[in-house]
Amino acid sequence: RKEVEQDPGPFNVPEGATVAFNCTYSNSASQSFFWYRQDCRKEPKLLMSVYSSGNEDGRFTAQLNRASQYISLLIRDSKLSDSATYLCAVTVPTGTASKLTFGTGTRLQVTL
Amino acid sequence: ETGVTQSPTHLIKTRGQQVTLRCSSQSGHNTVSWYQQALGQGPQFIFQYYREEENGRGNFPPRFSGLQFPNYSSELNVNALELDDSALYLCASSLGPTGGETQYFGPGTRLLVL
Repeated sequence: RKEVEQDPGPFNVPEGATVAFNCTYSNSASQSFFWYRQDCRKEPKLLMSVYSSGNEDGRFTAQLNRASQYISLLIRDSKLSDSATYLCAVTVPTGTASKLTFGTGTRLQVTL
Repeated sequence: ETGVTQSPTHLIKTRGQQVTLRCSSQSGHNTVSWYQQALGQGPQFIFQYYREEENGRGNFPPRFSGLQFPNYSSELNVNALELDDSALYLCASSLGPTGGETQYFGPGTRLLVL
């Protein structure tokens, strides 16, 4: 089983739609949780950290369920500029380090 | 921009050659992590450097090695290149090595091995 699994995608949605991405992780020792956005042939950029209480940043809402080992990202009122790959990432202790473990990403295409 | 820089941006090598990739961390960050991202995959952790010491390693063979310098910049060295080493190599810097510290990525080096 992969350490971090995401919806396979791609998601094709019209502008203005609401879209939700899901992610599960297998290591219960995972400490921190993130959503990154990656545009084609670019580096991942931090979209938001994910907290147990849930957090919102404008049109983006992230939720964490530690009991179910599940993370979600909700995008409301999708814009064309939201088209990208969304990577779920968790930090897993590795000795004294913490490595970021990523899912394979979910591609979102927002259309007119 | 994150303030993390990488060089070169692109590189073409042949099988068996050696390559060195470089990363300058964001000001104030003492930890650098390296990742390999193959096409269609998420980034895979190679190793992390904290205060000039290797501080954790992923499932990569010993021909992947690194260094961190007193100014916290870092190098990734790959010996005996294989075709499967073709990928985007990303470095990320953070304030520290623990899980609570956010990692900020550089633009990456795209390596093609022929």
